[in-house]
Amino acid sequence: GAVVSQHPSWVICKSGTSVKIECRSLDFQATTMFWYRQFPKQSLMLMATSNEGSKATYEQGVEKDKFLINHASLTLSTLTVTSAHPEDSSFYICSASGRRLSGNTIYFGEGSWLTVV
Amino acid sequence: GESVGLHLPTLSVQEGDNSIINCAYSNSASDYFIWYKQESGKGPQFIIDIRSNMDKRQGQRVTVLLNKTVKHLSLQIAATQPGDSAVYFCAENTAGATNKLIFGTGTLLAVQP
Repeated sequence: GAVVSQHPSWVICKSGTSVKIECRSLDFQATTMFWYRQFPKQSLMLMATSNEGSKATYEQGVEKDKFLINHASLTLSTLTVTSAHPEDSSFYICSASGRRLSGNTIYFGEGSWLTVV
Repeated sequence: GESVGLHLPTLSVQEGDNSIINCAYSNSASDYFIWYKQESGKGPQFIIDIRSNMDKRQGQRVTVLLNKTVKHLSLQIAATQPGDSAVYFCAENTAGATNKLIFGTGTLLAVQP
């Protein structure tokens, strides 16, 4: 079964509104989570690294004030797309890593489709 | 700004044939590599990984080859099946950047029955 859960799986929002996407590690503590964005027929582009209890580290070119990341607990990170616009429509994917019985491994969520109209 | 549509490289193979998917990675300091399979509308699924102290690793029906000299990675799938049809990505991790993965451009594998 899934070890990393994302919610919602898809969301439609109006331009100018904000949308929050959650990423949860289900049976392990994730000290680090990563957020990716993927446009159709393109690769996954790393947006930011989310560290529990500290500020996220954003990749070059990603606006930290537009894509707010909060990693308040060892099992939950949230990505909020603020003042969303149609060009923010994309597939957002998180991954989580932490120590499990099988060792340090990286797990991906099933992704969240965002459509801004 | 306006996004430009890109077309993923496509590899078309017949069912039962072997597939070889290639990837050029960017950072000579990368020491850990993973191949992922991504089906439409889903998150990446782990296939196989390899560390830089190895040049070959085998799994069930899959083999990963690593050539550090030319920064090249390949994924071999034996006896390709229709269920293997998906987009395949290689991802690299750099020593010190714990679990931070940088993905390659991807290859669409189309298996013809």
